[in-house]
Parts: sequence; structure tokens; C-alpha cells
Amino acid sequence: EIVLTQSPGTLSLSPGERATLSCRASQSVSSNYLAWYQQKPGQAPRLLIYGASNRATGIPDRFSGSGSGTDFTLTISRLEPEDFVVYYCQQYGSSPPYTFGQGTKLEIK
Amino acid sequence: QVQLHESGPGLVKPSETLSLTCTVSGGSLGTYFWSWIRQPPGKGLEWVGYIYYNGNTNYNPSLKSRLTISVDTPKNQFSLKLNSVTAADTAVYYCARLRDYSDSSGRYSYFDYWGQGTLVTASS
Repeated sequence: EIVLTQSPGTLSLSPGERATLSCRASQSVSSNYLAWYQQKPGQAPRLLIYGASNRATGIPDRFSGSGSGTDFTLTISRLEPEDFVVYYCQQYGSSPPYTFGQGTKLEIK
Repeated sequence: QVQLHESGPGLVKPSETLSLTCTVSGGSLGTYFWSWIRQPPGKGLEWVGYIYYNGNTNYNPSLKSRLTISVDTPKNQFSLKLNSVTAADTAVYYCARLRDYSDSSGRYSYFDYWGQGTLVTASS
């Protein structure tokens, strides 16, 4: 099983600042198989990024993804108040085929 | 716009069977994979399993012995049955569309549409 470890667990920043969220895999993951989701309280996750760097439909361009191999990053260039929620990375690979990171909570400093 | 909606009992007794249905609107089940994902209260996401529109399935090995996912194409629905539940199965259960395809850049696999989720509590 490929384990995804997200860091930090909680990130404290101010609106307007830049956020960098990390997702590290226990084994190499194809970039095409890495996705990022945003989850607001009481809501389902929403797809932000697929294929490590492709924004999903309707996602603002302040969200960007990068990385390869075992290290992937979600960057939010200028934080808006609605961005202070939880983010998950997800990979497709070996059994089980789909695993998620434990999440990073973005909180207002 | 594709929409998914989960339905089923919110309370299940330990040792009994958890049954949920996901109704898809705004599109057909055809040529897509349809998945269940769960989230225990205050915790992260766990992939449960998926079914292809033709009935082929793939289950999380940790749940495989207790899990059945089925599809009803005419009703545009797919369902989950998890038997012998315990308190550890208490979670919000989401249904989601799994987008798995290949293009000139390679193969992609991710969850693009989700239901709003339904909380199922396993308790007597």
C-alpha cells in the first residue's frame, strides 16, 4: 500500500499570503495519478488538481500543483478567506488502488 | 451537470448490514466507474470500492470480505452493502464518480463528482 503523508498537519497563515502544502508518498507515484481535493466543513471533498498539475474545471488559477516521484506540492498563491479549510492528496496505485493523505488544515493566523 | 445523491438508513445495529444507494442524475452511468468513499467523524478519507457500469468491481482489501457493490443501470443507481458492521464502520459515506481515462499525456484516475455524503452510525 502506498502511504501518503501530508505536511504540515496544520498551517497557520493570513489572507493574502502564499500557502505551500506538501504530500509525500512512501513509494514513487506517477504524476498522472496524483490529485488534490479541498473539503469545507460539512461538505464533500471538491476536486482541485488532477494529474499533479492540472486544475479541475472552475478552479481559480491561484491554486497550482507540482511535483513528481514521491514529493508533490499544492500551492495557493494568494489566500482568500474561503481557502481556510482542509486539503487532501490522493493517489492511484497498487492495492488498494486509491489512498488519501491524512489532510492538511489551513487556518487563519 | 452530474449530481449524485446518497440514501439509506442513518443507523445500523452492530453485526447487521449497512445498505446505501447512490442515485446519479444529469448523466448516465455508462462508460464510467462509480465509487464509494467513507470518512469517520473527524478523520480522513478511505476508499471503499468501485463498480464499472458493466458490473465489474474492485474493493478495498480491508473491506472485501464484507462488501458488495452493485449497479442498476436502468435506474441510474449503484449500491453498497457492508455486512457485519461494527462501530469502526461509523462514517460519512460518499458516492463519487471515478474518472479513469487515457489521453496523449497518459492515464489519469481521480474522483471528479461527489455526493453530499450521508452519516451512518453503527450502534445498538
